Amino acid sequence: DIQMTQSPSTLSASVGDRLTITCRASQSISSWLAWYQQKPGKAPKLLISKASSLESGVPSRFSGSGSGTEFTLTISSLQPDDFATYYCQQYNPYSPPWTFGQGTKVEIK
Amino acid sequence: QVQLVESGGGVVQPGGSLRLSCAASGFTFSTYPMHWVRQAPGKGLEWVAFMSYDGSIKYYADAVKGRFTISKDNSKNTLSLQMNSLRTEDTAVYYCARGSSSEPPSWGQGTLVTVSS
Repeated sequence: DIQMTQSPSTLSASVGDRLTITCRASQSISSWLAWYQQKPGKAPKLLISKASSLESGVPSRFSGSGSGTEFTLTISSLQPDDFATYYCQQYNPYSPPWTFGQGTKVEIK
Repeated sequence: QVQLVESGGGVVQPGGSLRLSCAASGFTFSTYPMHWVRQAPGKGLEWVAFMSYDGSIKYYADAVKGRFTISKDNSKNTLSLQMNSLRTEDTAVYYCARGSSSEPPSWGQGTLVTVSS
């Protein structure tokens, strides 16, 4: 199975900061990469699919990039509502077992 | 719009069984593959099982293989997960999710399974 390695595991930041979270796949997944935001007690919310496609209603301060094995999620200017845990997910439809990164918790500095 | 609603969670003793259901609406259920994903308290997301659109292909995570069975009733737009020989480490919120080669994943809101004596 494809392994996903996400870093960092924790990130302390302030409102207005620019953040980057990295996800690395153990083998090429083309662009079959999604990013989720999760808040306590809630289901994961899809932010980005196909590595860089912003979901409807998601603020433009979120962006994704990468292909193959290296991917990044960037928050251009952190807002109070963005303090949450973020997960990457590979969802190659031609290789069904999904796999997830370990998560990155974004905390208030 | 796509809607996935899980049900069937609850408290069960170790060694017991539980059947989860996921009611799908807003899309042609019979043409989409489906997944179950779980999240233990305070932990990350873990993929559990997959079924192809027509039910002909199934995959399971090693942690549940031989104990869990995924099924798909395309006539009732329902995905199920039969969970037997439950262990305390199976305690988690269980999500059903839709797969696709042309659309992003869609998830339900989850149902909590607690395995405890």
